[in-house]
Formats: sequence, C-alpha cells, structure tokens
Amino acid sequence: NAGVMQNPRHLVRRRGQEARLRCSPVKGHSHVYWYRQLPEEGLKFMVYLQKENIIDESGMPKERFSAEFPKEGPSILRIQQVVRGDSAAYFCASSPLQSTDTQYFGPGTRLTVL
Amino acid sequence: AQSVTQLGSHVSVSEGALVLLRCNYSSSVPPYLFWYVQYPNQGLQLLLKYTSAATLVKGINGFEAEFKKSETSFHLTKPSAHMSDAAEYFCAVGLSLDSSYKLIFGSGTRLLVRP
Repeated sequence: NAGVMQNPRHLVRRRGQEARLRCSPVKGHSHVYWYRQLPEEGLKFMVYLQKENIIDESGMPKERFSAEFPKEGPSILRIQQVVRGDSAAYFCASSPLQSTDTQYFGPGTRLTVL
Repeated sequence: AQSVTQLGSHVSVSEGALVLLRCNYSSSVPPYLFWYVQYPNQGLQLLLKYTSAATLVKGINGFEAEFKKSETSFHLTKPSAHMSDAAEYFCAVGLSLDSSYKLIFGSGTRLLVRP
C-alpha cells in the first residue's frame, strides 16, 4: 500500500439501496483500477480509468454498476439497487503510468448486503 | 489469453521450513508477473515483480521467485518461514490489450505457519 485511500472501509446496505465506494489514488497517479474479491476467491478486474475517461470496463457487470474518475476528487464506484451477490471486497489500485507499472492497492471496502 | 493457476489453495509449513508457493501462467507474449501478499482484512502488498530484467527476482521479507519460461512458472520461495508470513498470497500476470492494462490474478494460496 503506497498511499491509496479507500472509504468507507466497511459498508452495509439493504437490498435495493445504492452503494458508493470512493478511492483516492496515490498523489500523482492518474490511473485507477477497480477489482472485486468475492469470498474465498482471487481478485477480478472490473474497470480501468484515467482522469475523466473510462479506458476499459470489460469486467463491469452490464447493469447497476458504474465508475468515474473526475478531474477533481476521488474515483467513485457506484452500485445501484444492490443485491446479496454484490457482497464482496472492492479494491482500488493506482499506478503512475499505464504500461507495466506496479499497481498499488488500497485497503479495500467490504460491502455487505443484507 | 492470459491466465494464472496457483496450485494448492492452502499450504502449511512449520516455522523455519522452506516455503514454496506455486504459480503457473499462460501468456502469448513475454509476461509481467507479480506476487502480492494479503494479510487478513487488508489490501494487497507487492512482494515482487518480474519484468524480464532477471529470471531470479528478489522481493521483500526474504521472498524470491524464479521465472522459468520453459515451464511457464513463477514459483515463490522463502528459505525459512516465520509466523508473520501467515497470509494469503496471490500470483498475477499483467495483461496489455489495445490501450488497456489489467492484472489477472490467481485464486490465491493461504499460507499457514505452524509453531
């Protein structure tokens, strides 16, 4: 962890509510990645963003999920109308350059859907 | 397509014993390979990475990994396990496609260290 911040660390939502997860990358990093970790599984890529641009959202579910990385402020992963299957740990990572640079991970947000 | 296989979801060793965590990858191009460690309820911390400069890569906390192209392997080793090494370890390969880049992770290996 080289300074990626995520909040909240824990989030509890009831089915049908919205979840908003925030990620502040390492200062100076302009590339942000979101990954999801289901219980007892590895991390799965969701989306790759640069400032104001979505570069690759091939890992995002087609519905209810969206992500942004505005010019100012943190990256946001938004899940609308959450369902129990959305319960997972969501990790954000950042890197200074896209290519093969190391991705530095945040502590994650653990989402529980009741 | 790139993929990563970690053999053994759980590995148990005695304190002071050799640690060997296995990782095999498939990649159509020279890969970028990583090992990350995850302690309970924490994020991932980079242990080491292979970027084709040297086949034997040394990382933090006494870990190292050897890239073997002929075996498509990148196994993680440590000569002597400490109790503090108990954690989950993930092998990952970097995938570049068009203008995108992402990490493809293995399913993880949980290391248990017995006193």
